[in-house]
Amino acid sequence: DIQMTQSPSSLSASVGDRVTITCRASQSVNYNLNWYQQKPGKAPQLLIYSASALQTGVPSRFSASGSGTDFTLTITSLQPEDFATYYCQQTYDIPRAFGQGTKVE
Amino acid sequence: QVQLQQWGAGLLKPSETLSLTCAVYGGPFDIYFWTWIRQAPGKGLEWIGEINDGGNVNYNPSLKSRVTLSIDTTKNQFSLNITSVTAADTAIYYCARSYHGSGRPRSDSWGQGTSVTVSS
Repeated sequence: DIQMTQSPSSLSASVGDRVTITCRASQSVNYNLNWYQQKPGKAPQLLIYSASALQTGVPSRFSASGSGTDFTLTITSLQPEDFATYYCQQTYDIPRAFGQGTKVE
Repeated sequence: QVQLQQWGAGLLKPSETLSLTCAVYGGPFDIYFWTWIRQAPGKGLEWIGEINDGGNVNYNPSLKSRVTLSIDTTKNQFSLNITSVTAADTAIYYCARSYHGSGRPRSDSWGQGTSVTVSS
């Protein structure tokens, strides 16, 4: 199975900060990498697919990059509604594993 | 706007079978894979499996021996069964729609989640 590792597991940030979260795959997943945001008590929401494509309706302060094994999610100018947990997911192989999550607080 | 509405028993005893169903409203059914994902209390997301209307099914190997996914295209519903549950199966279970466009799947719509507790 492909293992997904996110760093950091949590981070402390303030409104207006630039936030960067990293996701590393144990083997290449090409561009098959998604990012989700989850708020407490809610289902995850898709932010980014295919490593860098912004899902419809997601604010442009969210961006992502990477390919192969190393990926990055960036939030420019963190907003109050962005405090949440973020997950990466590889969809290159079965099982379509998630990272362990990064809590932005 | 697609909506996924899910339901099923929320409290089970060890060794029983978990059964959940997800109904899809307001969108096409035949071009997607339909996915189940779970989240144990305070933990991350675990992908369980996916199925499409053609009967193609992919399971997480760690659960494959106990999991069955099924689909009813006449009702736009899909279901999850997990046999011989234990406390380790206690989780919130989500159904989701997965689009496999360009060979790069992503889950773009999710159900509200169903909390399942396994306890004697």
